[in-house]
Amino acid sequence: GEDVEQSLFLSVREGDSSVINCTYTDSSSTYLYWYKQEPGAGLQLLTYIFSNMDMKQDQRLTVLLNKKDKHLSLRIADTQTGDSAIYFCAESIEPSGGSYIPTFGRGTSLIVHP
Amino acid sequence: DTEVTQTPKHLVMGMTNKKSLKCEQHMGHRAMYWYKQKAKKPPELMFVYSYEKLSINESVPSRFSPECPNSSLLNLHLHALQPEDSALYLCASSQGTWVRGNEKLFFGSGTQLSVL
Repeated sequence: GEDVEQSLFLSVREGDSSVINCTYTDSSSTYLYWYKQEPGAGLQLLTYIFSNMDMKQDQRLTVLLNKKDKHLSLRIADTQTGDSAIYFCAESIEPSGGSYIPTFGRGTSLIVHP
Repeated sequence: DTEVTQTPKHLVMGMTNKKSLKCEQHMGHRAMYWYKQKAKKPPELMFVYSYEKLSINESVPSRFSPECPNSSLLNLHLHALQPEDSALYLCASSQGTWVRGNEKLFFGSGTQLSVL
């Protein structure tokens, strides 16, 4: 199966670190992504990681991948109120048709309060 | 230009109306997508066009009819919709090269559709 699971809500104080977690079930995933959706907007690709990597850092964002446990996390350092949004984890799997269409998790609503 | 532009931003239609949603990108992407997103839910894939040909149709009812007139444009024609079709409709595009699974999707802001 290719279910992607995420917790639904996370609340943090401004300036703290946020960690959003995701588990996936398909061991053949090649790329894993984090997308951000602000209210009334489309999804924006934040970062991605190839499945043979353990970690990727991009400014305030750190992605950790535990392939053995099929666990992906996104850490946002120094979280700001502008980071309040829904964060979707997605995995890219090769189906029989050969097209790598990302499958999205349910999304985690991050609420940042002062 | 890294934008995917969708029009209109909001649409209210009756169940007997015919309307169209439009999507445009000028990034040279050869894959374009329609997603449907209900509130508090992830986007659900509806259609994928690859090199202007319909390559994926996720068992979408025929009252939704996609069209890809050229590599930059994607339309979704709507006819005889039901109230449960009310949702945010998102267009996305990607390079479409399907290289080792790294298809980064660029999304438009969506059309918020209400069917009365």
